[in-house]
Amino acid sequence: SQKIEQNSEALNIQEGKTATLTCNYTNYSPAYLQWYRQDPGRGPVFLLLIRENEKEKRKERLKVTFDTTLKQSLFHITASQPADSATYLCALEGGGFKTIFGAGTRLFVKA
Amino acid sequence: DSGVTQTPKHLITATGQRVTLRCSPRSGDLSVYWYQQSLDQGLQFLIQYYNGEERAKGNILERFSAQQFPDLHSELNLSSLELGDSALYFCASSRWTGGVLLNYGYTFGSGTRLTVV
Repeated sequence: SQKIEQNSEALNIQEGKTATLTCNYTNYSPAYLQWYRQDPGRGPVFLLLIRENEKEKRKERLKVTFDTTLKQSLFHITASQPADSATYLCALEGGGFKTIFGAGTRLFVKA
Repeated sequence: DSGVTQTPKHLITATGQRVTLRCSPRSGDLSVYWYQQSLDQGLQFLIQYYNGEERAKGNILERFSAQQFPDLHSELNLSSLELGDSALYFCASSRWTGGVLLNYGYTFGSGTRLTVV
């Protein structure tokens, strides 16, 4: 069956370090993959989109990689700040115009 | 303000009742998506409309229905409510059927928090 897996355990890192979050998927062949940020009680906010023919995409302190062979995307936040603390969701086009979201990984950045 | 407007923000109702959640998409967006997010759960895709037509369906219960009107706003109707229907309901919009244009993702509203008692 189709599955999107993100680390269910929270990620705790020190301010200034690089946070790396993982999104693995099975039985999908997505044309693109998206990353969103969600704060408690708020709607997700779009961060980055990467297409299957792109290996890497950057935006300011954010970097996303997409390995269609490994069926994995990595999301990096460099020089992390306490304000980066949130839940980060990956999302795939699941076929038939459906976008399916992973359960998300909570990131805590300590000052 | 994301540009996607959801009303009401909070709704408390009793089991067995029916409610309607409303969503106005971002200006220019033709696609509307509904998602359910229960406590500590991920976003569950319910249904998608594009320019008034249903385009994709997720695990939406038969007690739930939705529609998109000519002015592109959408309503999600939830009937015979059960305690387990308590959740945050999000609406998102995008410009294209496939949901993406270049680096453009989905724009989410702030959600409607439904509590069934």
